[in-house]
Amino acid sequence: NAGVTQTPKFRILKIGQSMTLQCAQDMNHNYMYWYRQDPGMGLKLIYYSVGAGITDKGEVPNGYNVSRSTTEDFPLRLELAAPSQTSVYFCASSYVGGGDEQFFGPGTRLTVL
Amino acid sequence: GENVEQHPSTLSVQEGDSAVIKCTYSDSASNYFPWYKQELGKRPQLIIDIRSNVGEKKDQRIAVTLNKTAKHFSLHITETQPEDSAVYFCAASIGDMRFGAGTRLTVKP
Repeated sequence: NAGVTQTPKFRILKIGQSMTLQCAQDMNHNYMYWYRQDPGMGLKLIYYSVGAGITDKGEVPNGYNVSRSTTEDFPLRLELAAPSQTSVYFCASSYVGGGDEQFFGPGTRLTVL
Repeated sequence: GENVEQHPSTLSVQEGDSAVIKCTYSDSASNYFPWYKQELGKRPQLIIDIRSNVGEKKDQRIAVTLNKTAKHFSLHITETQPEDSAVYFCAASIGDMRFGAGTRLTVKP
């Protein structure tokens, strides 16, 4: 199993550009999550999904959108990138929500200039 | 929503000493409390977790304690080794997970 994979590893965007961060898991997990981690800080939940076709906002959803058309994939869309979105983005998955271990992807380091 | 506070933000110990990291949470409905270790440039990885129906859990040199009444939980690492140096995050969950800000642990050889 590859676990949770993310692409790209690194990306530099100009202000106002858009991009999609890709996330996939091959563990047949129902729950998937997107977090951002600012330097020296903890993880903040952006969006999560409890299954294909179902998504919900986390703590910091503004400026982002998600979709979940399959169990395996959970892309994160940034529209009109801003410097405040410079961060490391982690995707995670778990079999059930709440009281279950979350498995993290390797992260995408995004810089907006 | 849930709010998790973690202390200290940095901790430096000598190899072989113990390290303790403490977290408090705000929502009494939280029922799952994991601890993650994150090495520099790497992804967070679960090292131990505890559920609200348990007061203490131990795995070799690592233990976690939970006080539901006071709404705090702690990570204890005994006989620390240089490879324990990393950032440790606590979290609390009643559905979605809320993380503490992290503790940077340095173990000096």
